[in-house]
Amino acid sequence: QQQVKQSPQSLIVQKGGISIINCAYENTAFDYFPWYQQFPGKGPALLIAIRPDVSEKKEGRFTISFNKSAKQFSLHIMDSQPGDSATYFCAASPGGSARQLTFGSGTQLTVLP
Amino acid sequence: ETGVTQSPTHLIKTRGQQVTLRCSSQSGHNTVSWYQQALGQGPQFIFQYYREEENGRGNFPPRFSGLQFPNYSSELNVNALELDDSALYLCASSSGTPYTGELFFGEGSRLTVL
Repeated sequence: QQQVKQSPQSLIVQKGGISIINCAYENTAFDYFPWYQQFPGKGPALLIAIRPDVSEKKEGRFTISFNKSAKQFSLHIMDSQPGDSATYFCAASPGGSARQLTFGSGTQLTVLP
Repeated sequence: ETGVTQSPTHLIKTRGQQVTLRCSSQSGHNTVSWYQQALGQGPQFIFQYYREEENGRGNFPPRFSGLQFPNYSSELNVNALELDDSALYLCASSSGTPYTGELFFGEGSRLTVL
């Protein structure tokens, strides 16, 4: 019930391409869905987050798509750049906030120059 | 404005020992959360502190304990260390109540248990 399943485990895209990472959850109490970016040796940093009252949120090159009925959400990175190479984690939390996050297992993204 | 700082950055302990990890929250942040990140995995919620009291706990045994001080800094204590406790321990702070505010993570303390 508490799991967040993330795929793919690793992703390689060419510079300028679109990177897509998917997550699925089971706990219907989850109502806050952030994405974090983590570089080696660093802590996770919030990239973008969505609440279930909207189906899509865009910030710059990053877009979250949210499907409440399917209990799925995804991160799209447009015009992917080598500097985007990092590990990406989806997460979910109840209570509409980041109070108690359940993280996915991560996707290692490599953007080739 | 300083971010979340954690100490020590790396440490090695042997099985059965005890360890204390420290965290200074970002300026103005009054809520601190601790997460355990095993190698190649996502972080797992340990617990959260607000107003010096534990305010939510994940699926971790009682040998994981914590403190929050009046200046909002925090400690994570782990007793009777086991090999599986080897991980990166992340501290995150936020402002407002535990039900608001985004999390800002530190760079972590990497614990190796031999």
